[in-house]
Amino acid sequence: QQQVKQSPQSLIVQKGGISIINCAYENTAFDYFPWYQQFPGKGPALLIAIRPDVSEKKEGRFTISFNKSAKQFSLHIMDSQPGDSATYFCAASRASGSARQLTFGSGTQLTVLP
Amino acid sequence: DSGVTQTPKHLITATGQRVTLRCSPRSGDLSVYWYQQSLDQGLQFLIQYYNGEERAKGNILERFSAQQFPDLHSELNLSSLELGDSALYFCASSVRGTSGGTEQFFGPGTRLTVL
Repeated sequence: QQQVKQSPQSLIVQKGGISIINCAYENTAFDYFPWYQQFPGKGPALLIAIRPDVSEKKEGRFTISFNKSAKQFSLHIMDSQPGDSATYFCAASRASGSARQLTFGSGTQLTVLP
Repeated sequence: DSGVTQTPKHLITATGQRVTLRCSPRSGDLSVYWYQQSLDQGLQFLIQYYNGEERAKGNILERFSAQQFPDLHSELNLSSLELGDSALYFCASSVRGTSGGTEQFFGPGTRLTVL
């Protein structure tokens, strides 16, 4: 059962544009929602994360918007750059003692055209 | 560089064989997670160890096992390998982050190819 659904599967944006990636989750016990960026041949790298008691978090050009009632969260990349071209994964986890494994979305391949 | 190291970087082996993947967490991190990344299944959690003890199990096959040693490095053992086991295997280690969740830092991965 896929617990985190991510869309779109791929996204092409012009340089300077806004990239928006959406995720929806099912398990209301999830309480931590990170986004990871992965370049080819590399491991996923943590980009930004949010907890459900906050509706928005911004770090530089990256913003997470969180809608708890809709069980949805999204990543906005402002002023997208060619160097942002990568695969982006949303994820979710829940507190269960010291067990905090991540459930990942299926990934979005972002291409930013120069 | 996340500070998590994994060896080997690439591994090519045959069906039926057994391999061991190694992971060293970031200094001070007590938790180690193993994930498998394949084209059809995406990134899937396999197993977590915390300070030497197994803490959580995900979609890990019975042919797979792991352990965490007293120096906190971890090994993932894959046996009776099948073609479908070909994938990227990532190790991550964690520390509690500013967002209140546990930030996981991923290693560079081991690419396993089963022929």
